[in-house]
Amino acid sequence: DQQVKQNSPSLSVQEGRISILNCDYTNSMFDYFLWYKKYPAEGPTFLISISSIKDKNEDGRFTVFLNKSAKHLSLHIVPSQPGDSAVYFCAALTGANNLFFGTGTRLTVIP
Amino acid sequence: DAGVTQSPTHLIKTRGQQVTLRCSPKSGHDTVSWYQQALGQGPQFIFQYYEEEERQRGNFPDRFSGHQFPNYSSELNVNALLLGDSALYLCASSLIGPTVYEQYFGPGTRLTVT
Repeated sequence: DQQVKQNSPSLSVQEGRISILNCDYTNSMFDYFLWYKKYPAEGPTFLISISSIKDKNEDGRFTVFLNKSAKHLSLHIVPSQPGDSAVYFCAALTGANNLFFGTGTRLTVIP
Repeated sequence: DAGVTQSPTHLIKTRGQQVTLRCSPKSGHDTVSWYQQALGQGPQFIFQYYEEEERQRGNFPDRFSGHQFPNYSSELNVNALLLGDSALYLCASSLIGPTVYEQYFGPGTRLTVT
């Protein structure tokens, strides 16, 4: 039962343009959402998070948007840079502090 | 400031054998979680340890067990290995408190069961 879904396995974007990564979830009990970035041979690295009581959180080039009614969140990266090329995981957290991950989206930023 | 470390990096085992994976948390962290990441999938939560006790457990059989030591390091044990246990095993550490959701991951142990 995949409670967090990332339906796009890959995304290619030109350098300098906006990258938009999408994530859907099914469990309305999730109260925190996170994005992780993973390079090959490394563990996932925390990128940005958002509480379920907010609809937007911004950190530099990264912005996460949450639409609770649609059970949808997205990560915007602008401008995209070649170093952003990685696998991005969406994750959701319950009060029990268990992280539920999506299957990941491989972002390729083309110079 | 040392991050999360895991050992070994790679491991090859035979079906039916037992394996122990080790994790040292980030300095100052007191909580360790273990995840299994199969090829092409996202990490799946196995269990979490805090104060040397298992606090939460995901949907994994009893063949998966763990331990946390007084220095907060942790072990993951898998008995009676199956081919399907082949995966990347990730350890993540965090600090109980307001920022518990900020889990820091190690590089993982790649387990291959033949």
